[in-house]
Amino acid sequence: GAVVSQHPSWVICKSGTSVKIECRSLDFQATTMFWYRQFPKQSLMLMATSNEGSKATYEQGVEKDKFLINHASLTLSTLTVTSAHPEDSSFYICSARDRGLTYEQYFGPGTRLTVT
Amino acid sequence: SQQGEEDPQALSIQEGENATMNCSYKTSINNLQWYRQNSGRGLVHLILIRSNEREKHSGRLRVTLDTSKKSSSLLITASRAADTASYFCAPNDYKLSFGAGTTVTVRA
Repeated sequence: GAVVSQHPSWVICKSGTSVKIECRSLDFQATTMFWYRQFPKQSLMLMATSNEGSKATYEQGVEKDKFLINHASLTLSTLTVTSAHPEDSSFYICSARDRGLTYEQYFGPGTRLTVT
Repeated sequence: SQQGEEDPQALSIQEGENATMNCSYKTSINNLQWYRQNSGRGLVHLILIRSNEREKHSGRLRVTLDTSKKSSSLLITASRAADTASYFCAPNDYKLSFGAGTTVTVRA
């Protein structure tokens, strides 16, 4: 149990285009999902917290108009990187908190974004 | 949220040996979690230890927690090549923050 999927697993896009990444909890309901970004050889940096049915809360320094987050259901959150630039190239990982458990978070396999 | 600081930054061991890494944090916690990340993959939840627990086991993993010293340790016994990964600790629960991690390399 407690499986989180991400789609796509990797994507290459041209500079200026937008890319949508999906995060799904497959066998549990997640009222809260988190989005992280990881640059090569660095740790994960929390970008935003996504709550089902409400606006996402962003960490300091993360542009909310650039990284659009939608958490429309208890099993799906999406991250859209708008007007992507090469510096947005990174590994994006989501995690989900099982509403039935207090603390455990489960992570998706990540999405590798390359902007050319 | 606070992040843990893992030590050492890197660890290289022979297959079959034990690997120990430590985590320190600054403020009191309700629980602490350990995660593993294989290269280019997402994080795998390994174990959660609550503040009223001192030690917890899961397979070849042993985690200790000393709340008085604000530290935790993760021991991997009888290491295997598949244990090669980065390991992260995450104090507390709601928003997880991650330090640089400990990169473990298990040599055949």
